[in-house]
Amino acid sequence: KQEVTQIPAALSVPEGENLVLNCSFTDSAIYNLQWFRQDPGKGLTSLLLIQSSQREQTSGRLNASLDKSSGRSTLYIAASQPGDSATYLCAVRPGTGANNLFFGTGTRLTVIP
Amino acid sequence: DGGITQSPKYLFRKEGQNVTLSCEQNLNHDAMYWYRQDPGQGLRLIYYSQIVNDFQKGDIAEGYSVSREKKESFPLTVTSAQKNPTAFYLCASARQGGTGELFFGEGSRLTVL
Repeated sequence: KQEVTQIPAALSVPEGENLVLNCSFTDSAIYNLQWFRQDPGKGLTSLLLIQSSQREQTSGRLNASLDKSSGRSTLYIAASQPGDSATYLCAVRPGTGANNLFFGTGTRLTVIP
Repeated sequence: DGGITQSPKYLFRKEGQNVTLSCEQNLNHDAMYWYRQDPGQGLRLIYYSQIVNDFQKGDIAEGYSVSREKKESFPLTVTSAQKNPTAFYLCASARQGGTGELFFGEGSRLTVL
């Protein structure tokens, strides 16, 4: 069964710093990988989706990369801001395109002004 | 604006009562999902539906029931058989085929008194 791990569970950085969040998965046969942001008490907001044939996706200050062979994805946040403080989750859709996504437990990011 | 609407946002229930959580989407998505989120755990799939009048159990379906009578609506009933129903419930939807990108509602927090 696919397992998704996000380390560290929490991260604090000063404002303006560039940072990387990690996501690892055990089965490299994936259909796609999606990064989400969750604010306290709120739903998940989709940030980036990377298809299995892609190596990276970019949106504004965010860049997500995918290395299927090593079972890893990273989310790079440039020039962090206090408004980036949230929990970031990654989710993997199996290679069959099946409906049951596998979620990590998230990294809680705090950007200190 | 297109999106997913969940209601109520907060719900309190006495033990032994059934409650129904509403999920409506106007994104014209075929697939809809219900997830449960508990502190320190990844999202877990309760039920999903790929088409009207059809749905499948996820990993933790016991004590829950759903219906899919309309494309736009996918209500979840938490029955008295669910032993630990206090949790944050998230509804999501996705377009069949395509990228499979998942979109979420704002969530409903259920507390059993």
